Amino acid sequence: DQQVKQNSPSLSVQEGRISILNCDYTNSMFDYFLWYKKYPAEGPTFLISISSIKDKNEDGRFTVFLNKSAKHLSLHIVPSQPGDSAVYFCAARARDDKIIFGKGTRLHILP
Amino acid sequence: NAGVTQTPKFQVLKTGQSMTLQCAQDMNHEYMSWYRQDPGMGLRLIHYSVGAGITDQGEVPNGYNVSRSTTEDFPLRLLSAAPSQTSVYFCASSYFRTGFAYNEQFFGPGTRLTVL
Repeated sequence: DQQVKQNSPSLSVQEGRISILNCDYTNSMFDYFLWYKKYPAEGPTFLISISSIKDKNEDGRFTVFLNKSAKHLSLHIVPSQPGDSAVYFCAARARDDKIIFGKGTRLHILP
Repeated sequence: NAGVTQTPKFQVLKTGQSMTLQCAQDMNHEYMSWYRQDPGMGLRLIHYSVGAGITDQGEVPNGYNVSRSTTEDFPLRLLSAAPSQTSVYFCASSYFRTGFAYNEQFFGPGTRLTVL
C-alpha cells in the first residue's frame, strides 16, 4: 500500500516557465515532507522540506505547498532551468522515523 | 570529508550467492538507511538505524540483513541472492531528530547489483 504517491511519471515544461510537481499521501501521522532531486547515476540530493504544521516553505526558486486537509503537497520551480531536468522524489517522515519515498516524477525542461 | 561512501559500485552475483554491500559515513550521523531503486517503483526503504546497536525494518526487508556495530558503518547483507534483488542500492545518513526538525539525508552514489 503506497503511502506517498506521485501519480505523474513525467512532466515536460518550457524553460523559464513554472514547473509544478504533485504528491499525495495517505498517512496523516507524517510530520515532515521532503523533496529530493536525482540525476542519472547519482544518489538523490535534498531540495526542500516542509513541516506538517506549515503550509508553505520557500527556498530561492523552489517553493513547497502543503494542503493537509487534502493530504497533498506540491513543489513549484520558478523559473524552470535546463539543470532542473531530473527525477524528483516526494518523501515523508513517519513518527517511527521511517522516511518513505514516492515513485518519482521525471521533469524535462524544454529549450 | 568523504560524505557517504558505498562499495562496490557494481556487482554481478549468481542466484544463491551471498554478499555484503558496504556503506560508511564520516559525518558522525546517527541515522542511516538503505533503499533500493527499481524502475517504476521509486525508492523503497529496506532497513534503517537510528544509532549504533539499533536497527529496524523498512518497507521491503525480506532477504536482507543489517547490523550497526559502529556509528560510521551500516553494511547490508544479502544472504542468498535472488534475481528479484537486481536493483540499484542507495545508502543514506543524517543526524537524528533534533526536536521537531528534519535533518537532511545525504545519499551515497549507489551500488548497481545484478543477480543472474
